[in-house]
Amino acid sequence: EADIYQTPRYLVIGTGKKITLECSQTMGHDKMYWYQQDPGMELHLIHYSYGVNSTEKGDLSSESTVSRIRTEHFPLTLESARPSHTSQYLCASSESYNEQFFGPGTRLTVL
Amino acid sequence: EDQVTQSPEALRLQEGESSSLNCSYTVSGLRGLFWYRQDPGKGPEFLFTLYSAGEEKEKERLKATLTKKESFLHITAPKPEDSATYLCAVPPYSGAGSYQLTFGKGTKLSVIP
Repeated sequence: EADIYQTPRYLVIGTGKKITLECSQTMGHDKMYWYQQDPGMELHLIHYSYGVNSTEKGDLSSESTVSRIRTEHFPLTLESARPSHTSQYLCASSESYNEQFFGPGTRLTVL
Repeated sequence: EDQVTQSPEALRLQEGESSSLNCSYTVSGLRGLFWYRQDPGKGPEFLFTLYSAGEEKEKERLKATLTKKESFLHITAPKPEDSATYLCAVPPYSGAGSYQLTFGKGTKLSVIP
């Protein structure tokens, strides 16, 4: 079944740790996105990719980085996590201007 | 710049009490309008795409309609499980390589038994 997957679903880590949030999709979409969302708040685009080896920063400044080495895989990395990074991170994918499909999200808590 | 405004911000309905959510948009050209449902702590779930004025889409108790300036999400005889935040979004028209959606802030719907 075509879908978009995120792991882990929940992550609690200490300050200064390096983390990678995984996102994979089996829908064959060329465009992928990372959003950050705090509880009850709006979605903010932090990174996007229009294809392999293509990555751009979104509207919300983020200390995270992303890579796109394979079409189906779009991981997000924080080199040194801080409490201000505590949030929910949502991955999405789309085909051209069509609707974006979202993963279940990763809830990150940095102590 | 594309703009999407949703109203009301929050809506409380009694079970069975039908109502409508509004999404007004200002875009240079419409490539489509998307509706999503988001439950707390989860990613948005895609509901509908509308492409042109007059178009309607239905799914269970939900019906989405589109005019040249706004879209409505009509909820008929809602049940408590319809409680969620409903988001609308539009893609850019003149892309210049951009595929970023403009989202509204959402309407938080609560259906009381």
